[in-house]
Amino acid sequence: KQEVTQIPAALSVPEGENLVLNCSFTDSAIYNLQWFRQDPGKGLTSLLLIQSSQREQTSGRLNASLDKSSGRSTLYIAASQPGDSATYLCAVFHDYKLSFGAGTTVTVRA
Amino acid sequence: DAMVIQNPRYQVTQFGKPVTLSCSQTLNHNVMYWYQQKSSQAPKLLFHYYDKDFNNEADTPDNFQSRRPNTSFCFLDIRSPGLGDAAMYLCATSSNFGQLTDTQYFGPGTRLTVL
Repeated sequence: KQEVTQIPAALSVPEGENLVLNCSFTDSAIYNLQWFRQDPGKGLTSLLLIQSSQREQTSGRLNASLDKSSGRSTLYIAASQPGDSATYLCAVFHDYKLSFGAGTTVTVRA
Repeated sequence: DAMVIQNPRYQVTQFGKPVTLSCSQTLNHNVMYWYQQKSSQAPKLLFHYYDKDFNNEADTPDNFQSRRPNTSFCFLDIRSPGLGDAAMYLCATSSNFGQLTDTQYFGPGTRLTVL
């Protein structure tokens, strides 16, 4: 069974600092890995998708890396802003379904 | 131009009283999913439809049922809600099922409260 872990569960940083969010998974036989953003009481918004053959993806201030062999992914958010405050979830597509981590809740202090 | 719509956004029901949650999509995707997300936990897949083919997760309680009358709509029925069923219910769709580029599009969720 695929297990996805995100550490830390919560993170608070001052505005302007770079964010580093970690995700690990137990079974490396994945199709892809996605990072999602979830605002309080809302649904999930896809941020980045990394295919299993790729090492990283970038979108604006966001960069995600994937090391499939070690079962790890990292999401970097450069120059954080208060609007980046949210919960970030990673999910791996494996065995025809997405398995999610519980998320890292980020607070960016102005 | 909402793509995945869930109604209602908030639902309050009484213990044991059946409730139905609705999801519709304008993306014409062939796969629709239902997830349950409890507070501060990971979303948990309940079941999905590939076209009209229903796929139930092994650990989804029998109390949860689903219907998909057409491509656009999917319903989640909770036959006898218990206090432990209070959660956010998320609907999602995808069109590239099982492919490397498979990505899911989520609705805003329905927050279910059980009194």
